Amino acid sequence: QKEVEQDPGPLSVPEGAIVSLNCTYSNSAFQYFMWYRQYSRKGPELLMYTYSSGNKEDGRFTAQVDKSSKYISLFIRDSQPSDSATYLCAMSGNSGGSNYKLTFGKGTLLTVNP
Amino acid sequence: KAGVTQTPRYLIKTRGQQVTLSCSPISGHRSVSWYQQTPGQGLQFLFEYFSETQRNKGNFPGRFSGRQFSNSRSEMNVSTLELGDSALYLCASSQGSFYEQYFGPGTRLTVT
Repeated sequence: QKEVEQDPGPLSVPEGAIVSLNCTYSNSAFQYFMWYRQYSRKGPELLMYTYSSGNKEDGRFTAQVDKSSKYISLFIRDSQPSDSATYLCAMSGNSGGSNYKLTFGKGTLLTVNP
Repeated sequence: KAGVTQTPRYLIKTRGQQVTLSCSPISGHRSVSWYQQTPGQGLQFLFEYFSETQRNKGNFPGRFSGRQFSNSRSEMNVSTLELGDSALYLCASSQGSFYEQYFGPGTRLTVT
């Protein structure tokens, strides 16, 4: 079983839809959870990070972490064509310097149709 | 502030050769991490350097190595290239918060 599982999609939605992206994980040591967005031919761009469980909101984006279920989600409200990209979840433990070793999901390809 | 830069952007090498990739972090960032991205395995952590010392290492063979210079610039080297080394190699820098890593555009390596 891979440490982080993410449905690769592709996911296609109409403009204005609410998008839900998810990852599951198996390593209980993960404490920090990140979401990155990667456009074609670009490097990943950090969208949000959360620590432990709970929700975090930033504009149209909401990240949720449920540690009891080992499940994290990213919601995008009022999706726009410019949101079309691959979304990657990433996780890290809480043991000092080794936090820099991020474990990524394989990414979900999202297309928002005008 | 300029972002993370990586050179070259594209590279074609032959099996058995070696290659060196370069990364210049954002000014003031002292941590540099390297990742390999392939369609099959996704993004995988190679190693992380801080103040010229390798602080973290992923599960890659010894053919993959790196170093960091006193100005925080970093290089990674892959010796005895294999076809499976074809990938996008990404560099990320951080000022101190591991969860805020800024990625470069990557170097696309093709091994023939």
